[in-house]
Amino acid sequence: GQNIDQPTEMTATEGAIVQINCTYQTSGFNGLFWYQQHAGEAPTFLSYNVLDGLEEKGRFSSFLSRSKGYSYLLLKELQMKDSASYLCAVGDSNYQLIWGAGTKLIIKP
Amino acid sequence: DAMVIQNPRYQVTQFGKPVTLSCSQTLNHNVMYWYQQKSSQAPKLLFHYYDKDFNNEADTPDNFQSRRPNTSFCFLDIRSPGLGDAAMYLCATSRQGDPYNEQFFGPGTRLTVL
Repeated sequence: GQNIDQPTEMTATEGAIVQINCTYQTSGFNGLFWYQQHAGEAPTFLSYNVLDGLEEKGRFSSFLSRSKGYSYLLLKELQMKDSASYLCAVGDSNYQLIWGAGTKLIIKP
Repeated sequence: DAMVIQNPRYQVTQFGKPVTLSCSQTLNHNVMYWYQQKSSQAPKLLFHYYDKDFNNEADTPDNFQSRRPNTSFCFLDIRSPGLGDAAMYLCATSRQGDPYNEQFFGPGTRLTVL
């Protein structure tokens, strides 16, 4: 079967760094996406990885290891506005997205 | 700005009363998707269109129907909403052949069933 696993909830402090992990088992692989979703809003695109390694984009970085079926999203210099759910999604062999349930990130002052 | 628009943002209906949700896009993307998302759950794909080719997910209930009269518009019809259909409904678009097939989402319609 197809499966995406990520922690349900994480808490971090403003100004700190947090790493959100995602493991996956899918039929085919056409890239891994991270989306941010604020409560009651639609997901917005954060990053895309299709090759192994680290992609950096400002305060956010995403890492992929295809052999391990593993990715993480790294958020630096956390701000209160980063409080949201972070969804990991994998493109399968049909280029459809298989979604994780999301990790709710709570930022404390 | 190019975007995905969903109307209404909030919809209240009664148990069993048909309801239609709409989505329009100005991105000229050929692929459109309807997702259902319940609280703290992953978005669940209901349907998608490659141009006018309709694709129904195997586990989408018969109660859900969709129409795409042209490239820009897509509709989700719920024929007899039940309490379990209360959810956020997300429309998304993408362009087939784009480097990584990024999906762009509308703001969603939150459906309440009384």
